[in-house]
Formats: sequence, C-alpha cells, structure tokens
Amino acid sequence: SAVISQKPSRDICQRGTSLTIQCQVDSQVTMMFWYRQQPGQSLTLIATANQGSEATYESGFVIDKFPISRPNLTFSTLTVSNMSPEDSSIYLCSVAGRAAGELFFGEGSRLTVL
Amino acid sequence: LAKTTQPISMDSYEGQEVNITCSHNNIATNDYITWYQQFPSQGPRFIIQGYKTKVTNEVASLFIPADRKSSTLSLPRVSLSDTAVYYCLVGFNTDKLIFGTGTRLQVFP
Repeated sequence: SAVISQKPSRDICQRGTSLTIQCQVDSQVTMMFWYRQQPGQSLTLIATANQGSEATYESGFVIDKFPISRPNLTFSTLTVSNMSPEDSSIYLCSVAGRAAGELFFGEGSRLTVL
Repeated sequence: LAKTTQPISMDSYEGQEVNITCSHNNIATNDYITWYQQFPSQGPRFIIQGYKTKVTNEVASLFIPADRKSSTLSLPRVSLSDTAVYYCLVGFNTDKLIFGTGTRLQVFP
C-alpha cells in the first residue's frame, strides 16, 4: 500500500483566486491521479500526472484551469485557477497499486469558494 | 470503458448480511472488478477485487457469475462502522477507471 498526504486538508477561498494542492507519496510511483468529488457526488478523474511530461487531462478539464506539476516520482501539485463557487469540491490525489484496478487515495482537500 | 450500475442506496441493521449487486454488461475480457469503500471526509479505500467466481478476504466476499456481467459484494454481519458509500469499478488500466454513482449503505442499530 501507499501512504498519501495532501495539503491543505481544507480551505476557504475567494472567487477569482487560485489555490495549489500538494500531494506527497511515501514511495516512488509511476502514475498519480487527481480526482474531483463535488458535494454528494461520485469521483471524476481530472487528469493523470506524469513524471517528466505534461499531464493527461480528461474530457471537460483543461490545463489552464487545472495546471498540474509532477517534479518527481513522489510529489505532485494541482492548482485550481481563477476559482468560482462551482469549483467547491473535494480534490483527491491517488496513486496506482500493484494490482490491476487498484488505487490508493489521499484524504482529500476540501475547497470552498465564496 | 465498462459502465456500472448499482442501487443508489441500501439500508440494513447491525448483524445482518448485506449484498450489493453491480451490473456491468459490457465488461471486457481483461477487465477486473474492484470494489471501493468511502467514508465521509475520506478518500475511497480498496476493499476487494476479482476476475471470476468467488473471492473472499477479511472484509468481504465478491461473487462473480460465469458471464461476468454482474458482481455482488457481500458484507457479513455489518456493523454501524460499515455505513459508507460502496463503489463498483471495472477495468484493467488504472488510468481509465470510472467511478459510478456508488451505493450508499446505511446501517442502523
């Protein structure tokens, strides 16, 4: 298993500002993922963070809004840019386990945009 | 990408066995079936995975029929602490997994 730490755990932000979420893993991993979970909803994959190359974004998510960095095999950041109240969600960092379909998740970062 | 269908919610009482069924009619040959559990204010937690027949671990059992078009997560003798959302996912590549709506299980005393 992997231990994943996210910062901040929660924050309240003003609209129009940007916030960067950090994800630290206790071991080197090839694939890291960023998910969004809107209130009362399921998880939606935002992007796959690749070390040494640009992130791969899912449909409906763009780099200008959610820039991602992956400087090494244990760390990644997700920035939520120019926030609006619709961005109020829990943002979760995840890494792949050894088994097919196995994911480990951090505790999430709960953002509230006023 | 296989789509899954689960009941939105289920209620149970402590000590009962709970079975949550997931439909995945267009599952691919190399797809695995994986179940996750999510408590409020936490990320999902992997609980069990299978390919066919039956798998059992210390937390749950997973039953998969021969055609693999559905699967059933069985939680024996649930307690209040099993109140959570349970997600069924099918896939092989971890970068292509899709979380469905999940089943919200409420356990009552």
